[in-house]
Amino acid sequence: TQLLEQSPQFLSIQEGENLTVYCNSSSVFSSLQWYRQEPGEGPVLLVTVVTGGEVKKLKRLTFQFGDARKDSSLHITAAQPGDTGLYLCGGDKIIFGKGTRLHILP
Amino acid sequence: EAGVTQSPTHLIKTRGQQATLRCSPISGHTSVYWYQQALGLGLQFLLWYDEGEERNRGNFPPRFSGRQFPNYSSELNVNALELEDSALYLCASSFWLQQQYFGAGTRLSVL
Repeated sequence: TQLLEQSPQFLSIQEGENLTVYCNSSSVFSSLQWYRQEPGEGPVLLVTVVTGGEVKKLKRLTFQFGDARKDSSLHITAAQPGDTGLYLCGGDKIIFGKGTRLHILP
Repeated sequence: EAGVTQSPTHLIKTRGQQATLRCSPISGHTSVYWYQQALGLGLQFLLWYDEGEERNRGNFPPRFSGRQFPNYSSELNVNALELEDSALYLCASSFWLQQQYFGAGTRLSVL
């Protein structure tokens, strides 16, 4: 059974700080997706990574796919209150972690 | 362009009843996915339909079933409801294996 473990489960930090959330598995994935979900809405795709070692940037968000395609990280620089939400990683589109609930304090 | 729409928004049932949830995909999308998002358990894959056929099924009992209609809309049926079926049920659509777009979900409460 393929599993994705996300850490931390909860993170509350001050506006302007940097943070990293992790997504780890013992399985290899051909692709990995990161989503953000806000209350009352479905997840919205942020990025898909497919190549081991790949790094993608989306404004202040940096996504990295591990060399072995088993893990990924999301780094946010200078967090803003608008970054608040549930961040989900998904492997091969249908395997999801439990998410990291991020709260940015103004 | 309309996104993925799900109905109803909220559904309250009692144990043992049946629930039917509906999903209309984005126009042009042929695939519909169903997920259960229960508190503390994350997003769990239930079913994938494409072109009217069930293509994949998650690790859920047979009382979770569904179908996809010729217009690509889909229904999820949950029979013999149990308290632990209380969750947000999310539908996503895509064109075959391309990016999934999620609806806002149906919140099912089983009393």
